[in-house]
Amino acid sequence: AQSVTQLDSHVSVSEGTPVLLRCNYSSSYSPSLFWYVQHPNKGLQLLLKYTSAATLVKGINGFEAEFKKSETSFHLTKPSAHMSDAAEYFCVVSEYSGGGADGLTFGKGTHLIIQP
Amino acid sequence: EAGVTQFPSHSVIEKGQTVTLRCDPISGHDNLYWYRRVMGKEIKFLLHFVKESKQDESGMPNNRFLAERTGGTYSTLKVQPAELEDSGVYFCASSPGGTIAEKLFFGSGTQLSVL
Repeated sequence: AQSVTQLDSHVSVSEGTPVLLRCNYSSSYSPSLFWYVQHPNKGLQLLLKYTSAATLVKGINGFEAEFKKSETSFHLTKPSAHMSDAAEYFCVVSEYSGGGADGLTFGKGTHLIIQP
Repeated sequence: EAGVTQFPSHSVIEKGQTVTLRCDPISGHDNLYWYRRVMGKEIKFLLHFVKESKQDESGMPNNRFLAERTGGTYSTLKVQPAELEDSGVYFCASSPGGTIAEKLFFGSGTQLSVL
């Protein structure tokens, strides 16, 4: 069985400061891992994905995440927060290493709050 | 290109009533998924259509939930009769042939409140 733990339900940062959203996972397989973002009244949008290639993954809007197998972590970072980054972020694991859409397990989400 | 569209955006019903949620996937997408997020919990898989066929319905909570996708286009999810624990946000997602998560597009969801 696989699971995802997002360690913070809310993260608040000042505009222009770094962002760190933490995610730990467990999986019996070689997983694929994703981060999705949901802005208010919008659908979930894929930010980035890890599918057993490079462990440092770059996504859209300046976000990146590093897959650390020894720590079973896939934390999301951004060097400088922007007001438009305020949203809810979901860490997701797929039991299929090819990044399949079946068998997705979602974390509970982290609300990112940007202070002006 | 139009995205995944869900109707209604919000629905408030009383316990025991029936509600039907609709999802219009992106045109040409064979795969259609339903997910649900109960407040404070994770988003959970309900079922997966490939065209008009149910590929996987292992996440459907019970037989009060009925999903259809006649003609392989839009899909409906009916809850009859609704119970308090059915409240939550119901998401639909679609993807083209194959089931690659990076090709998965989500709708904005239907917020269902059962009173």
